[in-house]
Amino acid sequence: GDSVTQMEGPVTLSEEAFLTINCTYTATGYPSLFWYVQYPGEGLQLLLKATKADDKGSNKGFEATYRKETTSFHLEKGSVQVSDSAVYFCALSGGIQGAQKLVFGQGTRLTINP
Amino acid sequence: DTEVTQTPKHLVMGMTNKKSLKCEQHMGHRAMYWYKQKAKKPPELMFVYSYEKLSINESVPSRFSPECPNSSLLNLHLHALQPEDSALYLCASSQTGTGGSYNSPLHFGNGTRLTVT
Repeated sequence: GDSVTQMEGPVTLSEEAFLTINCTYTATGYPSLFWYVQYPGEGLQLLLKATKADDKGSNKGFEATYRKETTSFHLEKGSVQVSDSAVYFCALSGGIQGAQKLVFGQGTRLTINP
Repeated sequence: DTEVTQTPKHLVMGMTNKKSLKCEQHMGHRAMYWYKQKAKKPPELMFVYSYEKLSINESVPSRFSPECPNSSLLNLHLHALQPEDSALYLCASSQTGTGGSYNSPLHFGNGTRLTVT
């Protein structure tokens, strides 16, 4: 079945460092890919998405490119801030009966130190 | 501010209690979801409603009973829970997909933190 593998955390960086969180997937067909972020005490929020190969999703300085040839969707940010501390989930979508069935990676906890 | 509202934020219940979790959205979404999230884990899908009809039940025990009274509301009725059911319960909604295209993101509420004693 479909699956998502994320790099293991936790990840700790200093403010203004470069961030990469790796994500690879296994899927039949051509799923849409997402990054969700979960801040402490909150639900998940969509960070960015890409719906087809070579699409680049971007938001709040974060970027990820849908790479079909390497089945990857790595998350990057050039200069992280303390406020970026959160748990990041990579996910792919499978449609079923008009709704979505998201398959999540295990999550990567990111801590940014000032 | 989240556009999906869940109440209550916190709930403590005994194993013999009956309680309900509530979820509301006014974005016109016709797909609504219940997820369960344990600490340091990703959310696990429990139920999906599409056009107010239950379309997915991920083999969830019958002590969890979902209900979708209308297109804006989703309830989760709880009865005779076990301590291992303690978790964060997340509601989400999305537009429904057509033609095999399912790229509409899910909008999550902030969840109900449930503790079963």
